[in-house]
Amino acid sequence: KAGVTQTPRYLIKTRGQQVTLSCSPISGHRSVSWYQQTPGQGLQFLFEYFSETQRNKGNFPGRFSGRQFSNSRSEMNVSTLELGDSALYLCASSFRLGSHRPGNTIYFGEGSWLTVV
Amino acid sequence: AQTVTQSQPEMSVQEAETVTLSCTYDTSESDYYLFWYKQPPSRQMILVIRQEAYKQQNATENRFSVNFQKAAKSFSLKISDSQLGDAAMYFCAYRSAVNAGTASKLTFGTGTRLQVTL
Repeated sequence: KAGVTQTPRYLIKTRGQQVTLSCSPISGHRSVSWYQQTPGQGLQFLFEYFSETQRNKGNFPGRFSGRQFSNSRSEMNVSTLELGDSALYLCASSFRLGSHRPGNTIYFGEGSWLTVV
Repeated sequence: AQTVTQSQPEMSVQEAETVTLSCTYDTSESDYYLFWYKQPPSRQMILVIRQEAYKQQNATENRFSVNFQKAAKSFSLKISDSQLGDAAMYFCAYRSAVNAGTASKLTFGTGTRLQVTL
C-alpha cells in the first residue's frame, strides 16, 4: 500500500512569503502530525490533527498553522517566512489517535525540504 | 515536560559486529512508549523497534533489541550482525500514554549517526 506522501518535496521561498505543504496519509489513517527538523533544534512537534480537529500543538508561533480535510489529508501553512523556517518538514500518520495497540505504528513521509532565502 | 537524551552524536561499527546506542529520558509519567527510529539519507523516519513501559520484557525485532531499564530511565538499542544498510541516523523517541486518547506527540532525542565500515 502507498505510504505517507508529502508534496512538494523541495521548495525555495523568499522571506516574507508564505508556503503550504501537503500530506496524504496512508489509506485508513485518520491521525496526522507534523514535525520540523533542523540541524540546530532537531525534531520538534508542530501539531496533530484527528478527524479534522487539531488535537495537540507544539511550541511554535502563530505563523505556523494547519488543517485536515474530511479525507484525512492535511496541509500546513507558514506565513511571513523567516530564514529560520528553513527546515525539513515531516508528516506522520497513524490509524487511531493514541492507540495502545502495537498495530498503531506511526509512519512518516519523506518530508518537504523548505529553503527560505 | 519530557526530555530525551542521546549522548553519542556518532558511533562506528564494523560490518557483522554488534553496536549499542544509548538513550536516557526524563519523565514523571508511569505509562509511556519508547521508540527507536532510523533515518537514512532519504530522510524518511523508519520505525525500528518500540517498547511499552508497562512491559518488563525487552522488545526484539530480528537483529535489533533494546535494554529497557525503567527505574534508570534508560533505553538502549543493540544492533547485532551490523550491515551496511544499517548506516543512518538513529533517533530515540518518547510518547506519553497518559493522555493516549488525545495525542500522538513524539519527543525525540538529538540522534546518533551510525557508520558501518567494512
